[in-house]
Amino acid sequence: AQSVTQLDSQVPVFEEAPVELRCNYSSSVSVYLFWYVQYPNQGLQLLLKYLSGSTLVKGINGFEAEFNKSQTSFHLRKPSVHISDTAEYFCAVSEIASYDKVIFGPGTSLSVSP
Amino acid sequence: EAGVAQSPRYKIIEKRQSVAFWCNPISGHATLYWYQQILGQGPKLLIQFQNNGVVDDSQLPKDRFSAERLKGVDSTLKIQPAKLEDSAVYLCASSLPGGWYGYTFGSGTRLTVV
Repeated sequence: AQSVTQLDSQVPVFEEAPVELRCNYSSSVSVYLFWYVQYPNQGLQLLLKYLSGSTLVKGINGFEAEFNKSQTSFHLRKPSVHISDTAEYFCAVSEIASYDKVIFGPGTSLSVSP
Repeated sequence: EAGVAQSPRYKIIEKRQSVAFWCNPISGHATLYWYQQILGQGPKLLIQFQNNGVVDDSQLPKDRFSAERLKGVDSTLKIQPAKLEDSAVYLCASSLPGGWYGYTFGSGTRLTVV
């Protein structure tokens, strides 16, 4: 069965600094990969997804992620963060042909300070 | 398009009482999910519907939790009787069939059991 690890539970950064949120997954078959963002008291919103093809995926709000099959990783990056990026970020994986079942990681809390 | 609607937004009940949550997915989304998100954790799948049929309820505590999706549109999740450890945010999500679309989440219902 698939699983997701997010190595950092909390990431504090200053505004305009770059950030990387790490995600590793475990699966014996091919997968789809996702990053979701959750702002306080809201539901989750899809940031970006990797299905196939180019390993560098661009999403909303200036975020991008790179799929590395050999390292089973899907790290999320942004070159310059804003205060408004403060939120919880969840990496998620879905095994292809698993009836659309998505497993979420434990989340990384990104805190951006002025 | 209208998003995923959930109600109520907040609910406080005493242990051993019953509670019900309602979800209306995006029009045309055949797949509907209920997730439980305990504070500080990632969402955990409780049940997945495809139209009005259950695809996966392996993580649903069936001795106290039940869910239905009549007519393949809106859905209700019930807890009876509630326990203290059921305190969480209950998220509803919907998607088109096929794991590559990603989910659209509602804002969730925050349940506090006292």
